[in-house]
Amino acid sequence: AQSVSQHNHHVILSEAASLELGCNYSYGGTVNLFWYVQYPGQHLQLLLKYFSGDPLVKGIKGFEAEFIKSKFSFNLRKPSVQWSDTAEYFCAFGSGNTGKLIFGQGTTLQVKP
Amino acid sequence: NAGVTQTPKFRILKIGQSMTLQCTQDMNHNYMYWYRQDPGMGLKLIYYSVGAGITDKGEVPNGYNVSRSTTEDFPLRLELAAPSQTSVYFCASSKSEGRGTEAFFGQGTRLTVV
Repeated sequence: AQSVSQHNHHVILSEAASLELGCNYSYGGTVNLFWYVQYPGQHLQLLLKYFSGDPLVKGIKGFEAEFIKSKFSFNLRKPSVQWSDTAEYFCAFGSGNTGKLIFGQGTTLQVKP
Repeated sequence: NAGVTQTPKFRILKIGQSMTLQCTQDMNHNYMYWYRQDPGMGLKLIYYSVGAGITDKGEVPNGYNVSRSTTEDFPLRLELAAPSQTSVYFCASSKSEGRGTEAFFGQGTRLTVV
């Protein structure tokens, strides 16, 4: 069955620390991969996506992610987090062209000032 | 540009009551979706639609119904509310552009069934 697994459920960092959130998916075919962020009280918004080309993708607010096909992974990184990055982060993948997404469980990131 | 608009934002229902969660988008997107978000569980797809008049079940459709009479609107109906339907509901839409198409989400409806 298709699935997405996020390894870290709750991460606490100090400002300026580096961030890496793990994401693995289970699917043998061609995938579209996404990271969404949900700031407190707001709707989900897209951070970045990968569907072809350079496996290192850059998104908004200094985030990047690397698609490693051999590891079925799409980890999210940021070199230096800010207090404003406090949010919930969701990895998701889609297959085919319907736009349906399968989401991971989410990771709550708390950045201490 | 309003994007995806959901109403209401909050609702408390009694067991057995019914209600409709409204969703409308002004981006002329063909695809629309309903997800529910439970703590620690991520988002699960309830129903989706690839165009007016076409709907299909997602991962967790039981207890819900949808309709898509226009491109803009995709209401979600709960007929007999149960405590298990306490959740946050998100409507989303996307273009039919194939791979890598981004989904745009509404602000969510927090539903409590008591």
